[in-house]
Amino acid sequence: DIQMTQSPSSLSASVGDRVTITCRASQSISNYLNWYQQKPGKAPKFLIYAASSLQSGVPSRFSGSGSGTDFTLTISSLQPEDFATYYCQQSYDSPTAFGGGTKVEI
Amino acid sequence: QITLKESGPTLVKPTQTLTLTCSFSGFSLNTTKVGVGWIRQPPGKALEWLAVIYWDDDRRYSPSLKNRLTITKDTSKNYVVLTMTNVDPVDTGTYFCAHSMSRGSGTYYDPWGQGILVTVSS
Repeated sequence: DIQMTQSPSSLSASVGDRVTITCRASQSISNYLNWYQQKPGKAPKFLIYAASSLQSGVPSRFSGSGSGTDFTLTISSLQPEDFATYYCQQSYDSPTAFGGGTKVEI
Repeated sequence: QITLKESGPTLVKPTQTLTLTCSFSGFSLNTTKVGVGWIRQPPGKALEWLAVIYWDDDRRYSPSLKNRLTITKDTSKNYVVLTMTNVDPVDTGTYFCAHSMSRGSGTYYDPWGQGILVTVSS
């Protein structure tokens, strides 16, 4: 099974900061990588498909990149509503798998 | 607009069987490339994928839970059922169902239901 590792597990940042979250797959997954945002007490929200395709309605300050085993989610200018936990998910092979999450805190 | 909602017991005793229902609207499980998945989240922990059922009745399970899980669908009534046998306190958590879509670069889950918190305790 493919394992997904995110780093860091948590980070502290301020409004306006540029934030980068890393996701690494245990083997190559091409660009079969999705990103989700989860706020406390809420269901995850789908942000990015296929490593870099921003979903409709997602602010352009979010971007994704990478292929193979290494991927990044970048928030160019952190906004108050962006404080949340972010998860990556590989869909290259079954079973799908989520990363351990990265909590973005103030 | 696609919506999903989980229902079922919020308290289950160890060794019992947990049955959760995902009722949905806004899409059909007869549509090619569409599925419904289940994902859970223990309190304060990460998401854990459990199972998915697709439009063509293909079913996939988490290898670590495969022997305890069964996923079924009722396409005419728009619901999916997940059954988990022999539950244990470690199965405590929020259980989400989600609409899945398969495209050229994989499958994603969007949107998700609100989740249901299930506690396993005697």
